[in-house]
Amino acid sequence: AQSVTQPDIHITVSEGASLELRCNYSYGATPYLFWYVQSPGQGLQLLLKYFSGDTLVQGIKGFEAEFKRSQSSFNLRKPSVHWSDAAEYFCAVAHDPHNKLIFGAGTRLAVHP
Amino acid sequence: DAEITQSPRHKITETGRQVTLACHQTWNHNNMFWYRQDLGHGLRLIHYSYGVQDTNKGEVSDGYSVSRSNTEDLPLTLESAASSQTSVYFCASSGPGHGNTGELFFGEGSRLTVL
Repeated sequence: AQSVTQPDIHITVSEGASLELRCNYSYGATPYLFWYVQSPGQGLQLLLKYFSGDTLVQGIKGFEAEFKRSQSSFNLRKPSVHWSDAAEYFCAVAHDPHNKLIFGAGTRLAVHP
Repeated sequence: DAEITQSPRHKITETGRQVTLACHQTWNHNNMFWYRQDLGHGLRLIHYSYGVQDTNKGEVSDGYSVSRSNTEDLPLTLESAASSQTSVYFCASSGPGHGNTGELFFGEGSRLTVL
């Protein structure tokens, strides 16, 4: 069965600092991988996705993620965090682009001024 | 603009009552999903549908049902509400019209409290 692990429940960074949010997945074949962001009281918004090809994918709001098959990881990064990035971030995996997504438990990001 | 809407946004009910949460999307998406969000669990899939008359159970389907009589709507019914079903419920959709990207489009959520 597919599963997604986000090891960090909470992360706090200073504004302007770099950010890396970890995501590990369990799935036998090549997965379809996603990162979503949820602002307080809102639904989820897609940041980026990986289906195939280049293992470094760019997303919205200056985020990027790297797919590492050998480590079963899809970590999210941003070189310089803004206060508006404070939110909860979810990694998700699917069999294919049309299939149901399995979400990790989420990482809540706090940004200090 | 096309959108996905959920109603009600907030509801308080009593144990044992039947509750229906509505989800309506105007993208003509084939795929629709219901998730519940609880602290420490992220989003867990309740039910999903890949088209009219198609419904499938997700990982936490006990106590919930859905029906898909048209493309636009996937109502979620709690037959006999329990306190364990207090949660925030999200509806999402995906499908052609967005380049088959696999992206889920989420509603704003329905907060349900069962007393």
